[in-house]
Amino acid sequence: AQKITQTQPGMFVQEKEAVTLDCTYDTSDQSYGLFWYKQPSSGEMIFLIYQGSYDEQNATEGRYSLNFQKARKSANLVISASQLGDSAMYFCAMREGTLVDGATNKLIFGTGTLLAVQP
Amino acid sequence: ETGVTQSPTHLIKTRGQQVTLRCFSQSGHNTVSWYQQALGQGPQFIFQYYREEENGRGNFPPRFSGLQFPNYSSELNVNALELDDSALYLCASSFVQGLVSPLHFGNGTRLTVT
Repeated sequence: AQKITQTQPGMFVQEKEAVTLDCTYDTSDQSYGLFWYKQPSSGEMIFLIYQGSYDEQNATEGRYSLNFQKARKSANLVISASQLGDSAMYFCAMREGTLVDGATNKLIFGTGTLLAVQP
Repeated sequence: ETGVTQSPTHLIKTRGQQVTLRCFSQSGHNTVSWYQQALGQGPQFIFQYYREEENGRGNFPPRFSGLQFPNYSSELNVNALELDDSALYLCASSFVQGLVSPLHFGNGTRLTVT
């Protein structure tokens, strides 16, 4: 059964330092996608970065990068040069299969990691 | 482009009552889905609507139902409310095309059932 595991309930990081948030996943599908979302206290889920199972290179989006280790089934998020505004909950999520018109765009989420950036 | 908007922001209901939550999807998106997020948990998929029909459902009972309208608005209806229905309800829309097709979420409606 598909499952996302985030083992770090909370993390602290000093401003301007890098931080890694862990995520492992379980799926029997060969084709899947991995997502990271940020949830500030306002509640909105903000899409950060995507990694496809067939992507050979790690995804990067500005200060966010994804350390994808397929054999270990891990997809850790790395945030470089942390800022105070990065303080939030971070969720790893997975979608199985490939999308075609009308397919169910369903995500399975982990339990999240609360990141606190200290000045 | 406008984002996903939800109303109301907060709602308090009594056990056994019925509730309707509303969402306006992002313009151009062809799916809308609803997620329930209990305190301290990740969001859980309730169902998805595509072209005004439900085309995917999570492990939620039939008292959770929805509607999608042509004008990008949609509703989540919950009948016979239970205390465990207290949660943040998130609406998400997407344009399903290609591998990425990320979900775009609203700010959510926080429902409290007493």
